[in-house]
Amino acid sequence: AQSVTQLDSHVSVSEGTPVLLRCNYSSSYSPSLFWYVQHPNKGLQLLLKYTSAATLVKGINGFEAEFKKSETSFHLTKPSAHMSDAAEYFCVVSVSGTYKYIFGTGTRLKVLA
Amino acid sequence: ETGVTQTPRHLVMGMTNKKSLKCEQHLGHNAMYWYKQSAKKPLELMFVYSLEERVENNSVPSRFSPECPNSSHLFLHLHTLQPEDSALYLCASSQDFVQGRFNQPQHFGDGTRLSIL
Repeated sequence: AQSVTQLDSHVSVSEGTPVLLRCNYSSSYSPSLFWYVQHPNKGLQLLLKYTSAATLVKGINGFEAEFKKSETSFHLTKPSAHMSDAAEYFCVVSVSGTYKYIFGTGTRLKVLA
Repeated sequence: ETGVTQTPRHLVMGMTNKKSLKCEQHLGHNAMYWYKQSAKKPLELMFVYSLEERVENNSVPSRFSPECPNSSHLFLHLHTLQPEDSALYLCASSQDFVQGRFNQPQHFGDGTRLSIL
């Protein structure tokens, strides 16, 4: 069975410093993994997706994530945080052979001026 | 600008009212989803339609009734709701998966914030 764990419920960084949001997954098959961002009073926006192509995935707004099978991780990074990055981020794994998503519990990113 | 539009954005209703949430997608997708997002809980999948046919009803109470008249529109009809139904209701769409095209990313609307008095 698939599952996903976001290791931090809250992360605070200063503007201009790197961002690291951690996600571990569990899957019996080669998983499809996604990162979504949700700004206040908004829906979820797709940042990037991994579907068994390149292990380093580049997304929108300067974010990227690296799929590491040996560590069952799919951490989200950005070299330099911007104030507009403050939001909640969800790591998602799709259930193999179905349309179903399993969502992590979210990480709230705070960016300090 | 999102390709998935939800109306209304906010809805306050009493427990005896009947109302409907509307979702429209302009992405040419054939699968549509309803999710419930409550505070401090993971997103809950409620219903899934593919090619206008319901393929998932995730043990949702009958006071929620979905309708998908065509591949671009999805409704959620509400009646005699309970206070615990207060939440953000999100609609999403994706390319259809009936030919095994799974793992297509889902695109979300901005949601309807529902408050039950």
